[in-house]
Amino acid sequence: ILNVEQSPQSLHVQEGDSTNFTCSFPSSNFYALHWYRWETAKSPEALFVMTLNGDEKKKGRISATLNTKEGYSYLYIKGSQPEDSATYLCAPYQGAGSYQLTFGKGTKLSVIP
Amino acid sequence: DTGVSQNPRHKITKRGQNVTFRCDPISEHNRLYWYRQTLGQGPEFLTYFQNEAQLEKSRLLSDRFSAERPKGSFSTLEIQRTEQGDSAMYLCASSANPNTGELFFGEGSRLTVL
Repeated sequence: ILNVEQSPQSLHVQEGDSTNFTCSFPSSNFYALHWYRWETAKSPEALFVMTLNGDEKKKGRISATLNTKEGYSYLYIKGSQPEDSATYLCAPYQGAGSYQLTFGKGTKLSVIP
Repeated sequence: DTGVSQNPRHKITKRGQNVTFRCDPISEHNRLYWYRQTLGQGPEFLTYFQNEAQLEKSRLLSDRFSAERPKGSFSTLEIQRTEQGDSAMYLCASSANPNTGELFFGEGSRLTVL
């Protein structure tokens, strides 16, 4: 079972603030790193799937970076909006060695209007 | 709607009863997963199917849990002799891409065992 750590566990920010979260994972047997957003009463939704060291991906105001050598990824939200309130989950994927994703506990973001 | 569908969305049962959850994946996805999420935790892997074959099963899964995917389409997850510790959100996800493993989740089935 992989050790996946996310920090902080929860975060309250004011609307318009920018914020970031961290995901740490084992760097060995790395294949891909997933970020998901899980809003209350909805299904988890994929934000990014990242595979290359140094990769940076962006979707609107949300971006993510990946360091596979040291085993971490950052998720950034610029100018947080109330609709960004959700739990953000990261999960490394080891590919053919194991088909499962191992999720961290998530970071719960609350954006205060 | 062509997303992943799960039924029932909520189930309240008494300890000792059996419950069954159903998942209908996205039709062209050959990979199907079951996860369980409890309060304060991330989704925990339970089992994985590729078509009708169950290829991985969590060592944490007791023998009271069984999953099937007949004909490689929908899947069922059955919990026998439920215990209060089984109370959780049961998530189903499907995937078509073996290179990235991106999952498409259903909205989950919440189980409460009294």
